[in-house]
Amino acid sequence: GQQVMQIPQYQHVQEGEDFTTYCNSSTTLSNIQWYKQRPGGHPVFLIQLVKSGEVKKQKRLTFQFGEAKKNSSLHITATQTTDVGTYFCAGPHNAGNMLTFGGGTRLMVKP
Amino acid sequence: GAVVSQHPSRVICKSGTSVKIECRSLDFQATTMFWYRQFPKKSLMLMATSNEGSKATYEQGVEKDKFLINHASLTLSTLTVTSAHPEDSSFYICSARPLNRDTEAFFGQGTRLTVV
Repeated sequence: GQQVMQIPQYQHVQEGEDFTTYCNSSTTLSNIQWYKQRPGGHPVFLIQLVKSGEVKKQKRLTFQFGEAKKNSSLHITATQTTDVGTYFCAGPHNAGNMLTFGGGTRLMVKP
Repeated sequence: GAVVSQHPSRVICKSGTSVKIECRSLDFQATTMFWYRQFPKKSLMLMATSNEGSKATYEQGVEKDKFLINHASLTLSTLTVTSAHPEDSSFYICSARPLNRDTEAFFGQGTRLTVV
């Protein structure tokens, strides 16, 4: 079945350093979504990418969708303590309304 | 924006009792809702897909008699953890996506269940 994998699983960075998480799907995706879950909270939608090679920015966050629409990345420039949390990518399941989530990357930022 | 409300946010129960968790889509209709379980510092594990007016679809390894799901209307799904045991203690989250929209998933606030 469809699989979505993320690396790394965990990442510790010093505040001000950059951070990148990578997402790979076993199948081509019509779109990919990114979510952030703060400690103790629930996942919150960040962005959706649809086009091959698409790049979108949200302040210090840069999201990229691969040309083959099977991989994606999230890059955070100059991390801040407010960036702490787990970042999930998700792609539409083969059928129905379901999303397949990656395992998430837990980001920890040292002040 | 669309909102999914989950209740209760936190519950402590005794072993052997049952706990019902509600998930409501407040401003949109959802023919399907999804129930996840999340262990500390771990990813979301899909337990089941709740289907309005029909039986839920359970993921492999999830006991349907243990985790009863009812989706009686287009805005409400419930998950009942029956005869709870301490190993059922976890964070349970529901999510839903609006009908006919290729949009994001909206998550409930989650329910932290502790079985003592």
